[in-house]
Formats: sequence, C-alpha cells, structure tokens
Amino acid sequence: AQSVSQHNHHVILSEAASLELGCNYSYGGTVNLFWYVQYPGQHLQLLLKYFSGDPLVKGIKGFEAEFIKSKFSFNLRKPSVQWSDTAEYFCAVNFLTSGTYKYIFGTGTRLKVLA
Amino acid sequence: ETGVTQSPTHLIKTRGQQVTLRCSSQSGHNTVSWYQQALGQGPQFIFQYYREEENGRGNFPPRFSGLQFPNYSSELNVNALELDDSALYLCASSRDKETQYFGPGTRLLVL
Repeated sequence: AQSVSQHNHHVILSEAASLELGCNYSYGGTVNLFWYVQYPGQHLQLLLKYFSGDPLVKGIKGFEAEFIKSKFSFNLRKPSVQWSDTAEYFCAVNFLTSGTYKYIFGTGTRLKVLA
Repeated sequence: ETGVTQSPTHLIKTRGQQVTLRCSSQSGHNTVSWYQQALGQGPQFIFQYYREEENGRGNFPPRFSGLQFPNYSSELNVNALELDDSALYLCASSRDKETQYFGPGTRLLVL
C-alpha cells in the first residue's frame, strides 16, 4: 500500500541550529510532493512543492527540500532555524491512479525551537 | 488566511446520527478535497471533487459521501456516526487539482 513516512515525530532544536526532516514515500509511479506547515492555532499551509524539474526546491521562510527519486525521499531542510519555526510539519504526496487523484500525508513532525 | 472557510467550527453528535459539514472554496478554485485528521495523526484523504464530480477517494466507507455545488462549495456527509469518526475534518480547495489551500477545519466529537 502507498504510504508516507516521516522519521522524526518530535524534534527539539536551539535557534540557529540546522534542520533536516526526513520524508520517504512508497509509490512506484509519478508523484507530486509537498511539505505543509501548521503553526500553533493556524491552518495547514503550503511550505513548498515539487511537481517536476529541478529536484531542489525552495519554499517560503528559507526552507528547501530535495527530491531524490532513487531513494523515494523528499527531505526538508533549513540552515538556521528560528523560534518562529516552532510548528508541526507534514510531508505529503499526490498521484494519479486509475484516473483519479489520491493524496497521502505523513503523520507529521513536531518541531520545537528553543530561544 | 487562505480564503477557504468551513462550518461549523465545532460539533457534537451521538453515535448513529448523521452530520453535514460545509466548505466554501477559495475564489477561482474548482477542486475541493476533504480530509479526516485524528489526534496526533496526519490528514487522511477522504475524497476529492472536481467540477461537481467525485475525482478520487481514499479508504473510507460509503457512509462518507459528498457533494460539490455549481459555485464549487462542498459538503461532507457522514451517516451512522461512530465513535472513531471523532476528528478534525479539513477541507482544501485548489485550481485544477494543483496546490491545495486548507481551511481551518471542523472539529467533530461523537459521543
């Protein structure tokens, strides 16, 4: 069955530390990849997305992610986190199967950045 | 704010009842997707509507059904509610099935 795995459920970092959140998916066909963020008390919002082209994508607030097709991975990175990055981060994929779309989200990673 | 609104914000029902949740999509968006998010979990895809037709479905039983209206707003109906249906229900809209924009959700509690 198709799935999305996020390896870290909780991450605690100090400000200015580097961040990398892992995401792996299982689906053999073409996928679109997303990272969403949910700040405390706010809606889910799109951080960045990959549809095709350059596998290194840049998103808002200094985040970037790299699609490595051979590893079925789409890890999220930020060189230097800030206290305001405290949030829950979700990796997601969508793909076309039998003529319709399906979307799968990971279980999320809660990031806490200490000031 | 994404322009996607959902109503009601909170709802309490009892087992066996039926519920209807509503979503107004962002202006210019013709696709609506519904998700169920249980506590501590990621959103689970229920289904998607594109131009008033169901365009994709996750692993949810038929008692979860939906509608999309000509103005692209949408409803999620759940019949014969079960305790495990307690969750946050999210609606997301997009233009032509691309990037989704999420609403604030409806929190449903089934007693």
